[in-house]
Amino acid sequence: QKEVEQNSGPLSVPEGAIASLNCTYSDRGSQSFFWYRQYSGKSPELIMSIYSNGDKEDGRFTAQLNKASQYVSLLIRDSQPSDSATYLCAVKRDTGGFKTIFGAGTRLFVKA
Amino acid sequence: EAQVTQNPRYLITVTGKKLTVTCSQNMNHEYMSWYRQDPGLGLRQIYYSMNVEVTDKGDVPEGYKVSRKEKRNFPLILESPSPNQTSLYFCASKKGSPGNTIYFGEGSWLTVV
Repeated sequence: QKEVEQNSGPLSVPEGAIASLNCTYSDRGSQSFFWYRQYSGKSPELIMSIYSNGDKEDGRFTAQLNKASQYVSLLIRDSQPSDSATYLCAVKRDTGGFKTIFGAGTRLFVKA
Repeated sequence: EAQVTQNPRYLITVTGKKLTVTCSQNMNHEYMSWYRQDPGLGLRQIYYSMNVEVTDKGDVPEGYKVSRKEKRNFPLILESPSPNQTSLYFCASKKGSPGNTIYFGEGSWLTVV
C-alpha cells in the first residue's frame, strides 16, 4: 500500500463545474496535509494546507480533512480551463520537519 | 525575488560520466531537499539537509551524493549515472520549524543514455 494514494485520473469536468479530488494516506500519525498544483513541465506550487478536521476554504478552493478516515480532498468550485493541471496531495507527520510524502497526483482537465 | 535556482535545466549525458546539478536558494531557508519525479510514482525524496553540514537520506538515495557546505547551496552529485536515473529532478527548500511551505526550483530534466 502506498503511503499517499490518489486516483491518477484524468478527471475531466466542464467549465464552471465542481472538481473533486481525493487522497488517502496510511500513516495515522500524520499532522499536516497539503495540496500542490503542478502545470505540465513546471514545478509544484502550494495551493492549500490543512491541519485539523473539517473544511478550509480559500477562494474557489476548499480542502477537507477527515483524520478518522485518513482522507483528504480538494474541491475546486467554478472550475476554469486554467485549473487544468496535476494536483499533488502531500502529507507530513510532524510539524516543522521535512519528511513530506507526496502522492503521484491526479490529472485534471477542465473543458471549455 | 525569492527563488530556488537549479542548473542545468536540461542535460543529456552518457552512462558513467559524473555530473553535478547545482541548487541555490536566496530565502535563508534551513531545510533543502532533492526530489525526483517519475510517471506514476510522484515525487520521491532523494536526500535532504536540515542545515549546513547536516544531510540525511530520503527514500531513494542510491546512486546520489549531496553536500551542504553553505546554507544557500545544495548540489546533487551523480558519481556514475545510469539510465535508471533518467528523471525530472527538483530541488526544494523550506524554512525551519514551523515552516511548512516547500518552495521548488524549476526542475532539471536529466537523460542518461
